[in-house]
Amino acid sequence: AQSVTQPDIHITVSEGASLELRCNYSYGATPYLFWYVQSPGQGLQLLLKYFSGDTLVQGIKGFEAEFKRSQSSFNLRKPSVHWSDAAEYFCAVNNNNDMRFGAGTRLTVKP
Amino acid sequence: DSGVTQTPKHLITATGQRVTLRCSPRSGDLSVYWYQQSLDQGLQFLIQYYNGEERAKGNILERFSAQQFPDLHSELNLSSLELGDSALYFCASSVALSGENTGELFFGEGSRLTVL
Repeated sequence: AQSVTQPDIHITVSEGASLELRCNYSYGATPYLFWYVQSPGQGLQLLLKYFSGDTLVQGIKGFEAEFKRSQSSFNLRKPSVHWSDAAEYFCAVNNNNDMRFGAGTRLTVKP
Repeated sequence: DSGVTQTPKHLITATGQRVTLRCSPRSGDLSVYWYQQSLDQGLQFLIQYYNGEERAKGNILERFSAQQFPDLHSELNLSSLELGDSALYFCASSVALSGENTGELFFGEGSRLTVL
């Protein structure tokens, strides 16, 4: 079955530390890939997207993600986390107009 | 500010009742999507409209219905409400000129529905 998996429900990092949020998908072909962020009381905001081409994509707020076809992964990274990055992060996959979201990873940032 | 407006922001009602949630998409966006976000089910796609026509259907219950009007705003109607319908309901829009959902969605801030 087609699915999007975010293995980590909750991650805590210290401010200034690096961050990697994992996302795996199971689809036959390479779908469109996205990361969204949801701050408390807000809707989801698009951080970055991958359609084709360069497998390392840059997004807003200093985030980047790397598409690895062999691992069916699209992990989100940030070299130095800021306190304002505390939020819920959703990986999303669109395959042939079928849009699926992962369950989300809640990020807590320690001072 | 995403440009997508949802009303009401909060709604408290009783089981068995009916409510209507409203969404105004970004100016120029032809597609509107409805999602339900609950703690146990995560973010679930309900339905998509493109330029007034139903485009795709997800996990939408028969008690729920939606429509998109000529001015492109959309309404989600929830009837015979149950406790389990308590959730955040998001509307999102996209340009989607061809009607295809590329996934670049702009989300409203949601309508929080509480069913008592």
